[in-house]
Amino acid sequence: QVQLQESGPGLVKPSETLSLTCTVSGGSIRTFCWSWIRQPPGKGLEWIGYIYDSGHTNYNPSLQSRLTMSVDTSKNQFSLRLSSVTAADTAVYYCARSPSGRNSFDPWGQGTLVTVSS
Amino acid sequence: EIVLTQSPDFQSVTPKEKVTITCRASQSIGSSLHWYQQKPDQSPKLLIKYASQSISGVPSRFSGSGSGTDFTLTVNSLEPEDAATYYCHQSSYLPITFGQGTRLEVK
Repeated sequence: QVQLQESGPGLVKPSETLSLTCTVSGGSIRTFCWSWIRQPPGKGLEWIGYIYDSGHTNYNPSLQSRLTMSVDTSKNQFSLRLSSVTAADTAVYYCARSPSGRNSFDPWGQGTLVTVSS
Repeated sequence: EIVLTQSPDFQSVTPKEKVTITCRASQSIGSSLHWYQQKPDQSPKLLIKYASQSISGVPSRFSGSGSGTDFTLTVNSLEPEDAATYYCHQSSYLPITFGQGTRLEVK
């Protein structure tokens, strides 16, 4: 079955750029919608944005000015870049699949903790 | 932005009890409401999609209902392994939003 795996630095300095990649295995990245969702320690879930294999994106307005998502279909990967990070961006970052941008998320990756600290 | 408000925030229950968690949307979202279970140090797992559609592999004691603004997740005959935090999620309007979560403790 399809599995998702997040990867990237676990520590980012304030004002720098957070970069993460999600690798999709066991299935194609094509024809689905791929989201990033984050969860600050001890808190709830926040949708960051999604991207289709075509490169079409939709971002959460609260993060839009700092956010870039991209997809590499040849590697079955999609990526997230969040610039000018602060401590408020410290969270577990999940990637997840949905049939479209208006559907449920299933499956999810295991998540990766990113801490913003000097 | 659609605000989803779950109640209660926390509930402590005994095994075999029936549990009901509600999710209220700030405006009508049709049936575009999904439920997830998240256990400590795990990623969320889809339980119910589109308010009431069951998911393969999810125990039949989990069920969902509702439409418009009011939705319910019901767990019949609670098992100890159901201790977790439960989240609702709406996909009707962008940005996608989640409820604040309901933590379920099994005594």
